[in-house]
Amino acid sequence: DQQVKQNSPSLSVQEGRISILNCDYTNSMFDYFLWYKKYPAEGPTFLISISSIKDKNEDGRFTVFLNKSAKHLSLHIVPSQPGDSAVYFCAATEGTGANNLFFGTGTRLTVIP
Amino acid sequence: KAGVTQTPRYLIKTRGQQVTLSCSPISGHRSVSWYQQTPGQGLQFLFEYFSETQRNKGNFPGRFSGRQFSNSRSEMNVSTLELGDSALYLCASSPGGGAVNTQYFGPGTRLTVL
Repeated sequence: DQQVKQNSPSLSVQEGRISILNCDYTNSMFDYFLWYKKYPAEGPTFLISISSIKDKNEDGRFTVFLNKSAKHLSLHIVPSQPGDSAVYFCAATEGTGANNLFFGTGTRLTVIP
Repeated sequence: KAGVTQTPRYLIKTRGQQVTLSCSPISGHRSVSWYQQTPGQGLQFLFEYFSETQRNKGNFPGRFSGRQFSNSRSEMNVSTLELGDSALYLCASSPGGGAVNTQYFGPGTRLTVL
């Protein structure tokens, strides 16, 4: 039972435009959400996170939005760069020290120069 | 600071054998979590160790086990290997403690079971 879902396996975006990656979750107990980027043959690299007490968190070109009522979060990358091409995973956890992350299946982003 | 390191990076075993994978966390991190990544299932949580004790466990059979040493290094063991155990095994470290901490991943060990 996939508690975190990324329904788009792939996304292609022109360089300089906005990339929007989406993620849905089913477990209402999740209260901390993270985005990771993964290149082939490497482990996931942490990008940005958000706590359920917030609805937006920004870090440079990356912004994560959280809509708790819809159990939906999204990652915006503006402007997109070719180096952003990778697989992006969203993950969620129940917090309070729990270190078991529930991952989505990933979205492969391709930024076209 | 050095990142999370995992050894070996690649491993080939045959069915029925057992395997031990090693993970060294970032210096100062006391929590180590293990994940299995397969094409069909994505990343799935195996277990987490904190201060040499298993703190959380995912939904995997007892053939998958782990331990953590006093220096926070962790090992994962899989006994009686099956073809379906072929996967990328990732470990992640975090400071641990009571708050949610961002986990930092190692490069993974690619296990192939023939």
